[in-house]
Amino acid sequence: KAGVTQTPRYLIKTRGQQVTLSCSPISGHRSVSWYQQTPGQGLQFLFEYFSETQRNKGNFPGRFSGRQFSNSRSEMNVSTLELGDSALYLCASSQSTGGNTEAFFGQGTRLTVV
Amino acid sequence: AQSVTQPDIHITVSEGASLELRCNYSYGATPYLFWYVQSPGQGLQLLLKYFSGDTLVQGIKGFEAEFKRSQSSFNLRKPSVHWSDAAEYFCAVGAAAAGNKLTFGGGTRVLVKP
Repeated sequence: KAGVTQTPRYLIKTRGQQVTLSCSPISGHRSVSWYQQTPGQGLQFLFEYFSETQRNKGNFPGRFSGRQFSNSRSEMNVSTLELGDSALYLCASSQSTGGNTEAFFGQGTRLTVV
Repeated sequence: AQSVTQPDIHITVSEGASLELRCNYSYGATPYLFWYVQSPGQGLQLLLKYFSGDTLVQGIKGFEAEFKRSQSSFNLRKPSVHWSDAAEYFCAVGAAAAGNKLTFGGGTRVLVKP
């Protein structure tokens, strides 16, 4: 069974640009969550999508957005990039939502903003 | 709001010695508790989880954790550490009302001495 796939693995962007990251969950999983990991702030929840609907959102500015497609694949978009957006972005997939379910993480996308 | 504290940023342990990582959480209701491990440049791997029932839970790689409601703690233990256990360990809390949102502690980096 394939794991969670995140593409691309590495990305370098310039301040002011926008970026789209992709996450393909484990087959049969309908929930996808996104996290930002930085040395200063640690792991922070961005948002969760379940059956194409945003279920929950973290405390991030509106520049961060996401969506989920009918095949459960998810994308997150960051517009008007800032240097502080440099981070490892992790995606996690789960079979269901509700909290008492195991989340499987991808290897992440390392975004560097210059 | 949920919060998680991992008091130890770094721990150094000799190979073969026992390991205990501390985790304290703050949440009003019964939490869902998790321990994850992250190797450099990688995603997160679930070691074990607690949803309800027996407060001593067994996980993969010989790890176990004990939920103590009175102390709001969920400490991770391993009787004998192997060099391959060197990594960063994260405690996380979830809740039914929060969907699959996880709140993570700051992490504990474990170094293993030969």
